Amino acid sequence: DAGVIQSPRHEVTEMGQEVTLRCKPISGHNSLFWYRQTMMRGLELLIYFNNNVPIDDSGMPEDRFSAKMPNASFSTLKIQPSEPRDSAVYFCASSLDRYRPQHFGDGTRLSIL
Amino acid sequence: ELKVEQNPLFLSMQEGKNYTIYCNYSTTSDRLYWYRQDPGKSLESLFVLLSNGAVKQEGRLMASLDTKARLSTLHITAAVHDLSATYFCAVAGNQFYFGTGTSLTVIP
Repeated sequence: DAGVIQSPRHEVTEMGQEVTLRCKPISGHNSLFWYRQTMMRGLELLIYFNNNVPIDDSGMPEDRFSAKMPNASFSTLKIQPSEPRDSAVYFCASSLDRYRPQHFGDGTRLSIL
Repeated sequence: ELKVEQNPLFLSMQEGKNYTIYCNYSTTSDRLYWYRQDPGKSLESLFVLLSNGAVKQEGRLMASLDTKARLSTLHITAAVHDLSATYFCAVAGNQFYFGTGTSLTVIP
């Protein structure tokens, strides 16, 4: 059974560029979560979707961040324009519903120069 | 906003010893989760605790939940090196809130 698949695994780009992170949740999972992990701030929930609908985006840091889930098998997190302080590991996770344990992807390590 | 505090933040222990990690949270919640993260890796679900007094055990790890005290514990029995990792608790409120994590190092 494939787990949560994230791409790319690593991304290095220059400040001001658009960055798109991708996530394929586990088939049959109805909830999808985007997290950001840094040494300074720990693990932060950015947004979560239930049945493809964004439920809570209060963790999205600012308008430069946007997330979409056009269908049950795909989600994107976009940063435009990117800034050095966006450098972090971004995790996508999915679960059967919002209260079940979450299955995390391997993460995308993002470096903004 | 719900706050989740773990202590200690860092724990170094010898193999064979026992220790407990604590997770306190600030508002009512009936679901608490424990996750493990190895360095440079993703998070892995360990336990889900759903009710007051719930206790779950897997190998050398045992987790418990006291909803009245808003406290969960993760007890490590006879630690082995393979348990070295960072352990997070997480609480479900309006959304999910993760604790700061406890970085555990088991020394041979």
